[in-house]
Amino acid sequence: DTGVSQNPRHKITKRGQNVTFRCDPISEHNRLYWYRQTLGQGPEFLTYFQNEAQLEKSRLLSDRFSAERPKGSFSTLEIQRTEQGDSAMYLCASSLGTVRITQYFGPGTRLTVL
Amino acid sequence: AQKVTQAQTEISVVEKEDVTLDCVYETRDTTYYLFWYKQPPSGELVFLIRRNSFDEQNEISGRYSWNFQKSTSSFNFTITASQVVDSAVYFCALSEPNSGGGADGLTFGKGTHLIIQP
Repeated sequence: DTGVSQNPRHKITKRGQNVTFRCDPISEHNRLYWYRQTLGQGPEFLTYFQNEAQLEKSRLLSDRFSAERPKGSFSTLEIQRTEQGDSAMYLCASSLGTVRITQYFGPGTRLTVL
Repeated sequence: AQKVTQAQTEISVVEKEDVTLDCVYETRDTTYYLFWYKQPPSGELVFLIRRNSFDEQNEISGRYSWNFQKSTSSFNFTITASQVVDSAVYFCALSEPNSGGGADGLTFGKGTHLIIQP
């Protein structure tokens, strides 16, 4: 199996612009998760999907953040009107099964907001 | 609120030394899972181990071993005969509470940066 893939790997944008990241989970994994990791910190859980259903949204950092998984396969994370504080690594993970199953992480997308 | 504490920010040892990374957690859940991940300089988190709160047996995998003690809420990780390739940031993580349909994310500690010098 190929692992979780994320694109782009790096994104540099200007403050106020919108950005979108893509995550392709491990094939047939039904659960998909998004995390944010800032420098010197552990990953921070943002949201997750079971198939196409988004089961947790309250951890998204603000209403500028949104995520979709329209067909239960790949997912996108969008940040609108980016701010310098959004600069971070955005990690995606996937798992197969129900709750509390091992999550396998992708390489991340590093966002820099100028 | 649940919490994972990795008090050691950075550890530096010489190759072939044994090293233990500490992890202490807080949760109100009666059933939970603990994880260790490795993050090498490339940045990708690599899964190492997952333990159920009901299983307190220590586990060994090659040079790696884990000591889970529920009484002290600790889940420590030991690398025996360390190698330069072990240099990375290591994260301990705890499953989110599952009561009342809680989220399925992980709560991570801040990580321990392990440096193995040749």
